[in-house]
Amino acid sequence: AQSVTQLDSQVPVFEEAPVELRCNYSSSVSVYLFWYVQYPNQGLQLLLKYLSGSTLVKGINGFEAEFNKSQTSFHLRKPSVHISDTAEYFCAVSEEGSQGNLIFGKGTKLSVKP
Amino acid sequence: GAGVSQSPSNKVTEKGKDVELRCDPISGHTALYWYRQRLGQGLEFLIYFQGNSAPDKSGLPSDRFSAERTGESVSTLTIQRTQQEDSAVYLCASSLSTSAPYEQYFGPGTRLTVT
Repeated sequence: AQSVTQLDSQVPVFEEAPVELRCNYSSSVSVYLFWYVQYPNQGLQLLLKYLSGSTLVKGINGFEAEFNKSQTSFHLRKPSVHISDTAEYFCAVSEEGSQGNLIFGKGTKLSVKP
Repeated sequence: GAGVSQSPSNKVTEKGKDVELRCDPISGHTALYWYRQRLGQGLEFLIYFQGNSAPDKSGLPSDRFSAERTGESVSTLTIQRTQQEDSAVYLCASSLSTSAPYEQYFGPGTRLTVT
């Protein structure tokens, strides 16, 4: 069955440090991959998506992610974080040929400290 | 333009009561999804509507849950005889189409608390 695993429930990091939020998925068919961000008391916002083509995708706010098919991973990275990046980040997949419903991981809370 | 809106933003209800949650999708979006986010969990898919086709109800957790959508407009999620485990944030999302996984735009959610 398809599933999404976010290995870290919480990631504390100092401002201007690099960060990587990990995401692994399992599926028997091709997938599309997404990262969403949820700022405190706000709705979900799309950060970036991988549909096809280049495995390195760039999103908003300086984030990027790399699709690794052999490792079934889609880790999110940012070279230098800001206080304003404090939020919860969700990795999600939808399967090719599905009706587009997303399968989400449990989320990673990123806490950026000064 | 206007995004996805949901109402109410917060709902507190007593166990056993029925509740209705409303979603207004972005105008022109044919696909609409309902998800549930329980505390400490990721989002769980509940139900999907595409145009006038029969909805995909495969994610509904029990027969106490139902949803309707009028054409390509408003959707209502109804939970009958609410239980404490129904406490969660209910999120609605809409999308232009599902011929490819177009971006889903999420509403702010309805926080349901069952006491």
